[in-house]
Amino acid sequence: GAGVSQSPSNKVTEKGKDVELRCDPISGHTALYWYRQSLGQGLEFLIYFQGNSAPDKSGLPSDRFSAERTGGSVSTLTIQRTQQEDSAVYLCASRKQGQGANTIYFGEGSWLTVV
Amino acid sequence: KQEVTQIPAALSVPEGENLVLNCSFTDSAIYNLQWFRQDPGKGLTSLLLIQSSQREQTSGRLNASLDKSSGRSTLYIAASQPGDSATYLCAVGIPFSSGSARQLTFGSGTQLTVLP
Repeated sequence: GAGVSQSPSNKVTEKGKDVELRCDPISGHTALYWYRQSLGQGLEFLIYFQGNSAPDKSGLPSDRFSAERTGGSVSTLTIQRTQQEDSAVYLCASRKQGQGANTIYFGEGSWLTVV
Repeated sequence: KQEVTQIPAALSVPEGENLVLNCSFTDSAIYNLQWFRQDPGKGLTSLLLIQSSQREQTSGRLNASLDKSSGRSTLYIAASQPGDSATYLCAVGIPFSSGSARQLTFGSGTQLTVLP
């Protein structure tokens, strides 16, 4: 597609349930990021994928959070046993690796509400 | 650890005014700096990207400057319009040699309201 696509755009889930958020990056972009933005807060880095390299998972807040990227394209962020503090917008971004290709493009986010 | 601060947190101006948004960062060893716009309920839109070797970038009514030595960047908006109302975020890119793949560190943003 023309831009970074995320789904679902909105998700309301009950505390304790698992959720999966999907990101489809721009075609040809090898770098993919997940960020989280809680209400009134700045963006918080979660995880970074670059090509076939091992992902940088240093931003994941707990072991309830995991992410994978299959085939170097689509990524799924999974939150297990959701808690109310997980309520936030989860933003995915992609970037084309290479010299001069530094602009990062964001999707519109998946708005998660845990009730 | 790189920290990015944006001042003010919120700004309200009448239409037509020129305005400046400020961004400061603690570690001058950055790869680039990027300004984003975020509309309510939307994702981020990239506005301007300044490489570490550059001093400024311009796009239409927007001009972003970068002073690495002092750890500062400004976003200048000329002749503001109500449609400019949004949250503006700056983010610094960490050099690849840092060993961290965490390329962007964000400020918490400035919420701009342009009154008609």
